[in-house]
Amino acid sequence: GAGVSQTPSNKVTEKGKYVELRCDPISGHTALYWYRQSLGQGPEFLIYFQGTGAADDSGLPNDRFFAVRPEGSVSTLKIQRTERGDSAVYLCASSLGTAPNYGYTFGSGTRLTVV
Amino acid sequence: GQQVMQIPQYQHVQEGEDFTTYCNSSTTLSNIQWYKQRPGGHPVFLIQLVKSGEVKKQKRLTFQFGEAKKNSSLHITATQTTDVGTYFCAFQVAGGYNKLIFGAGTRLAVHP
Repeated sequence: GAGVSQTPSNKVTEKGKYVELRCDPISGHTALYWYRQSLGQGPEFLIYFQGTGAADDSGLPNDRFFAVRPEGSVSTLKIQRTERGDSAVYLCASSLGTAPNYGYTFGSGTRLTVV
Repeated sequence: GQQVMQIPQYQHVQEGEDFTTYCNSSTTLSNIQWYKQRPGGHPVFLIQLVKSGEVKKQKRLTFQFGEAKKNSSLHITATQTTDVGTYFCAFQVAGGYNKLIFGAGTRLAVHP
């Protein structure tokens, strides 16, 4: 597609529920990233995929968070047993290649609210 | 871990005034990128700097990478209301493949 697409744009869920956030990167972009952004903060790294594999998942806060990219394109971020502290905007980005030659293209994000 | 400090956190200017934000690191950076996020929007890539002492310009925006590659700056000449937003610097973690770490950002408000 023309840009990085994220769905849903907004998600309100009850504490303890499971949620899935979807990211459809730019066609041909092999690198895909998930970030989380809280109000007034910079994006916080969660996980990076190169192709189908998670090259770096060091930013996932705990084992309630998991992400997949089974066919090297669309990715899904999964959060189990959501907590109020998980509320944030979840941003997905993709890039054609690796830094420093390429910047990230971000999607519009999914605003997750856990009540 | 590695991190950068962005100053100021917030700047309020009158339209037409200049604006500068700084990104400082205690360690040498291999490269740095700058992003702009409009209110309610998502970060948009502006530029990347790689070489020591590098200076790049985009219209009214001037980006610099320090000689020691420990700091960077973004200068906007004659601000306009369209410049409103938060400006983030981001750096590639050493040995961290393509993972970028973002600063906390500088929020710019421009009053007409």
